[in-house]
Amino acid sequence: GDSVTQMEGPVTLSEEAFLTINCTYTATGYPSLFWYVQYPGEGLQLLLKATKADDKGSNKGFEATYRKETTSFHLEKGSVQVSDSAVYFCALTLMRQGGKLIFGQGTELSVKP
Amino acid sequence: GAVVSQHPSRVICKSGTSVKIECRSLDFQATTMFWYRQFPKQSLMLMATSNEGSKATYEQGVEKDKFLINHASLTLSTLTVTSAHPEDSSFYICSARYPGQGNQPQHFGDGTRLSIL
Repeated sequence: GDSVTQMEGPVTLSEEAFLTINCTYTATGYPSLFWYVQYPGEGLQLLLKATKADDKGSNKGFEATYRKETTSFHLEKGSVQVSDSAVYFCALTLMRQGGKLIFGQGTELSVKP
Repeated sequence: GAVVSQHPSRVICKSGTSVKIECRSLDFQATTMFWYRQFPKQSLMLMATSNEGSKATYEQGVEKDKFLINHASLTLSTLTVTSAHPEDSSFYICSARYPGQGNQPQHFGDGTRLSIL
């Protein structure tokens, strides 16, 4: 079935370090891909999205490129800040499933000053 | 700004109480809303898809008589946890999608922390 796999956390980085959170997916068809961020005690916020192969989503210094050949959508940021500490979820949605979101397990990021 | 509002943000109540959680789309009409449950340090689990004017579609393993969903208007869906027990304690989150955009992102509420004593 359709699924999303993320690298396990927690990921601990120093401020200004480079961030990569790996995400790969399995899907029949052509999914749209998303990264959501969840700050402690809050709901999810959309961070970025890509709806077709080779699209690059970007927001707040974060980027992810939809790679169909490797079925990946890795999240990157060149220089993380303490305020980026949160849980990051990779997700996909398929039109044939009525827009149902399938989430990865989430990756906790902790950025130390 | 927020496009989905969820209320209340936190509920603490006694075992056996029924609890209603509201989810509102603020600046658009949502024919479909989604209800999720999240356990500590885990991902979101889809409970049901709420369809305006019709019955909700529940995921496998979710008790529809336990988790009543009503989507009576295009801007409001409610989840009622009936006769709640401690094992129902969890973080419940709703989401909505702009109409006609099946492959576009869902927008989430801030969640409801439910604690059953």
